[in-house]
Amino acid sequence: EPEVTQTPSHQVTQMGQEVILRCVPISNHLYFYWYRQILGQKVEFLVSFYNNEISEKSEIFDDQFSVERPDGSNFTLKIRSTKLEDSAMYFCASRTTGADQPQHFGDGTRLSIL
Amino acid sequence: DQQVKQNSPSLSVQEGRISILNCDYTNSMFDYFLWYKKYPAEGPTFLISISSIKDKNEDGRFTVFLNKSAKHLSLHIVPSQPGDSAVYFCAARLSNFGNEKLTFGTGTRLTIIP
Repeated sequence: EPEVTQTPSHQVTQMGQEVILRCVPISNHLYFYWYRQILGQKVEFLVSFYNNEISEKSEIFDDQFSVERPDGSNFTLKIRSTKLEDSAMYFCASRTTGADQPQHFGDGTRLSIL
Repeated sequence: DQQVKQNSPSLSVQEGRISILNCDYTNSMFDYFLWYKKYPAEGPTFLISISSIKDKNEDGRFTVFLNKSAKHLSLHIVPSQPGDSAVYFCAARLSNFGNEKLTFGTGTRLTIIP
């Protein structure tokens, strides 16, 4: 069964550094998402992306964050000047076209900011 | 943000019996609801969903019930199996011009006792 693939599984970065989290969505999916889950908290929406542009973003997704689809298969989340509070699991999701289609999630990247 | 709530953090059920997981929401504009299952170190796995125009959807051992007047949904698993032991999240979607972010509950940890 096709799946969403995320790399790396764990990323350790010094505070203030930039980090890029990578995702390969399911191949025929056109809608892409990033979510995060801080330890002990809910899964929170960050951003949705369709047709090469952001369609919605949460208040968390400020100028520190950006997303890109650099080629036909990858979808990336860049976090600039990381802060301690950026430590979380980051999940990528994708879905196919059509009404009431579920989002399918990758296994996540654990981001640890030191 | 308490728009989606799962008031039971944990639930234990004997193998072979019915597991019932509950979820409440406050936003009457939610139009699509999903249940995800999550194992440790993995991403949420889609289980079953229901549109707000329906009150029941069934898929094998899994049935989701929606009570719009009570703003309540439940997931029934019957019969429960040891492999069902996981954290279950309900999520709700608010469609707004194609934007489809999911709002998650806090999760219920289901343990199936052999």
